[in-house]
Amino acid sequence: SAVISQKPSRDICQRGTSLTIQCQVDSQVTMMFWYRQQPGQSLTLIATANQGSEATYESGFVIDKFPISRPNLTFSTLTVSNMSPEDSSIYLCSVEETASYNEQFFGPGTRLTVL
Amino acid sequence: GNSVTQMEGPVTLSEEAFLTINCTYTATGYPSLFWYVQYPGEGLQLLLKATKADDKGSNKGFEATYRKETTSFHLEKGSVQVSDSAVYFCALRSGGYNKLIFGAGTRLAVHP
Repeated sequence: SAVISQKPSRDICQRGTSLTIQCQVDSQVTMMFWYRQQPGQSLTLIATANQGSEATYESGFVIDKFPISRPNLTFSTLTVSNMSPEDSSIYLCSVEETASYNEQFFGPGTRLTVL
Repeated sequence: GNSVTQMEGPVTLSEEAFLTINCTYTATGYPSLFWYVQYPGEGLQLLLKATKADDKGSNKGFEATYRKETTSFHLEKGSVQVSDSAVYFCALRSGGYNKLIFGAGTRLAVHP
């Protein structure tokens, strides 16, 4: 399966600032996704990162708050904008490869704490 | 809408005990079903999957059978180890949609 890395692995940020999280895959993948895992809770899909076009957001998530880029088939970024303490979560990137259809593999996550 | 319900944790077992973590789902069509595991401080790992009724997924001694008649996908292991201590997530993916829908997760603690 693809090897997925995320940067940063963790960060502590001040209220009102923005943080950009990077997701890098070691091979070209068809689909990339961003999930949020709030403390002690399950995972919720934020959006699907589409290569060369705007991301597709799930209900409750908007582009102004979570802008996403995907310039090529191996890289994506998620920005958490104008942060508040409620944004403190683990943010995970996941990918689906053409060769392993119907299986999503997850990166190690970025643990964000907003003060 | 589609949803996944897991048994609440934490589940606490002694080493070599039998494990069952219940998972039931609600979905339209014929979903694919998954179990993911999250070890302390790590990301999610795909543990096993099943894509159609009566399929049995298995990996690392864990098994789960896709039961359409009871809309269930219970995770089992015959003899747990301390190293199995983790949070286990049941998830589904409904045909035509790439989105994974996760259950709340069940924390398993195995003691020597």
